Amino acid sequence: KAGVTQTPRYLIKTRGQQVTLSCSPISGHRSVSWYQQTPGQGLQFLFEYFSETQRNKGNFPGRFSGRQFSNSRSEMNVSTLELGDSALYLCASSLAQGGGYNEQFFGPGTRLTVL
Amino acid sequence: GESVGLHLPTLSVQEGDNSIINCAYSNSASDYFIWYKQESGKGPQFIIDIRSNMDKRQGQRVTVLLNKTVKHLSLQIAATQPGDSAVYFCAEKRGFSNTGKLIFGQGTTLQVKP
Repeated sequence: KAGVTQTPRYLIKTRGQQVTLSCSPISGHRSVSWYQQTPGQGLQFLFEYFSETQRNKGNFPGRFSGRQFSNSRSEMNVSTLELGDSALYLCASSLAQGGGYNEQFFGPGTRLTVL
Repeated sequence: GESVGLHLPTLSVQEGDNSIINCAYSNSASDYFIWYKQESGKGPQFIIDIRSNMDKRQGQRVTVLLNKTVKHLSLQIAATQPGDSAVYFCAEKRGFSNTGKLIFGQGTTLQVKP
């Protein structure tokens, strides 16, 4: 079974631009979550999508947004980029079935550099 | 932001020794605790999880211990191998049942000396 894929793997943008990152979950997985990873703040939860609806959100400004399509693929968008947005953006998918913890499977991430 | 704390940023062990990585958490409402391993250039990889109503769980060469009294979580790796070198994160799940939202700790780098 193919893992979580993220595109692009690397991205360089300048301040003020916007960027869209893509995530394809494992086949059959209905939940997609996004995380930002930086050396200073570690791994921080951005948001989670399930059945094309955002069902959980972290403490990030409105410049960070996302969406999920009917095939569970997800995109996240960051508008008006700031230098501090430079980070590794990770996507994770899970089955999201039943109760309890559903294992999150992470993709390799997209390394975003803002100049 | 929200975070789960870790005691040590770097742990260096000899190949073949046992490793113990610690984590402190603050939210008693968390129902699951999870350990992840992240190798350079890769996303985090699930190691083992433990439900909050348990105090010990074992996997292949790994054991997780949960002490709810002092809000402490540990990961024990038996017979540490060079392939275990990575950053280890503890994470906790809060909120409704199958949510994907995890709160991660800062991470401990495990270095295995040959």
